Parts: sequence; C-alpha cells; structure tokens
Amino acid sequence: SAVISQKPSRDICQRGTSLTIQCQVDSQVTMMFWYRQQPGQSLTLIATANQGSEATYESGFVIDKFPISRPNLTFSTLTVSNMSPEDSSIYLCRAGDLSYGYTFGSGTRLTVV
Amino acid sequence: EDQVTQSPEALRLQEGESSSLNCSYTVSGLRGLFWYRQDPGKGPEFLFTLYSAGEEKEKERLKATLTKKESFLHITAPKPEDSATYLCAVQAHTGNQFYFGTGTSLTVIP
Repeated sequence: SAVISQKPSRDICQRGTSLTIQCQVDSQVTMMFWYRQQPGQSLTLIATANQGSEATYESGFVIDKFPISRPNLTFSTLTVSNMSPEDSSIYLCRAGDLSYGYTFGSGTRLTVV
Repeated sequence: EDQVTQSPEALRLQEGESSSLNCSYTVSGLRGLFWYRQDPGKGPEFLFTLYSAGEEKEKERLKATLTKKESFLHITAPKPEDSATYLCAVQAHTGNQFYFGTGTSLTVIP
C-alpha cells in the first residue's frame, strides 16, 4: 500500500491566518482525499483532489475556505484559510487504490487561538 | 442510503480475553470494506480490505470476516498494545466515496 508523508504534524495558528498542509505519496495515485476529524468524532470528507482538474468539495466545504492543489500524481496540498477556533481539528489525507489498500497520512493537528 | 454502523462504541477487555467488533453496512453494491486502527492524535492505520462475502483476512491477533450485511473484527488474546479505536469503512461500486463508521474504542487492561 502507498506510504504518505504529511506535514506539518501539528501547528498552533492565530485567528485569521492560513495554514497549508502537504501530503506526499510514494507512488502515483489518481485521486487523493482530504478529511477533517473533530476530537472523538469520525472522519468527514472535505474534498476529492484529482490531478489536472479542480477538486470536488463536499457539502458544507467551499474552495475559498479550503483551497486544494494537486500539481502531480504524488502530491497535494490543503490550505485552511482565514482560520477561526472552529477550524481546530485533525486534518488527514488519504490515497491509494482498491487493490493495495487506501492509506492515510499521519495527520495534522491544528489548533487555532 | 449508504451507511455504516459500528458496535459497540466502546469495549474494555482483560488481557487475553478474546472478543469481536461489529461493522454493519448498507451500500448499493459493495466495492470494498476496510478496517483501520487509529491511535489518539494519529492518522488511521490500514489493516484489511475485504471484497466479497465469505472472505477472511488475518494479521497477528486480528481476523476480519465479511458477510453480505456485516463484518467482524475478531481479536484473539488481546494485549494492552491493541488498545486503539478501530474504524470500519465501505466503498460502493458507484463512486470513490468512503462511508466511515464512528469507530469502536477498545481498551485492553493488563
């Protein structure tokens, strides 16, 4: 299965600023997925990132708030823009395929103060 | 509507006390059912993919089974290091969306 390197592992940010999270995959994957996980909750899909096209966002998530880049088949970034304390969460990327399994990055723990 | 339900929400076991976690699902055509282990503050760790009813997979003390309506994660003679939240997810044939359960929090007491 794919190995994903996610950075940063954690950050504390000021209200109103932005943070960009990176995920690097050790193999080429068609799609990458970005999730948010609130403490004690399950995972909520933010968007699906395809290489060469705009990301597809789930209900309740918009591109202006969570812009995503997917410049090639091994890399993607998620930016959390104009942050508020409600954005404090763990952010995760997922990639892989059905045959070899879908793996997650190690997560980014974001705290907004 | 596609959905996944996991039970119990929490489970406390004595070391060596075997048990099973349940994942019930409804999906319009199962493409795959996935089990993950998640430690606090970390990303989910991939354990198994099951594709069709009757399939079984094993890894150390864990064994996953699948029927047309549910999957079980059997834990044999658990150790304290097996303590974690175990997540189940399904993928339907109709798309790439994963439907996650809310997880079972397992605590194994020495």
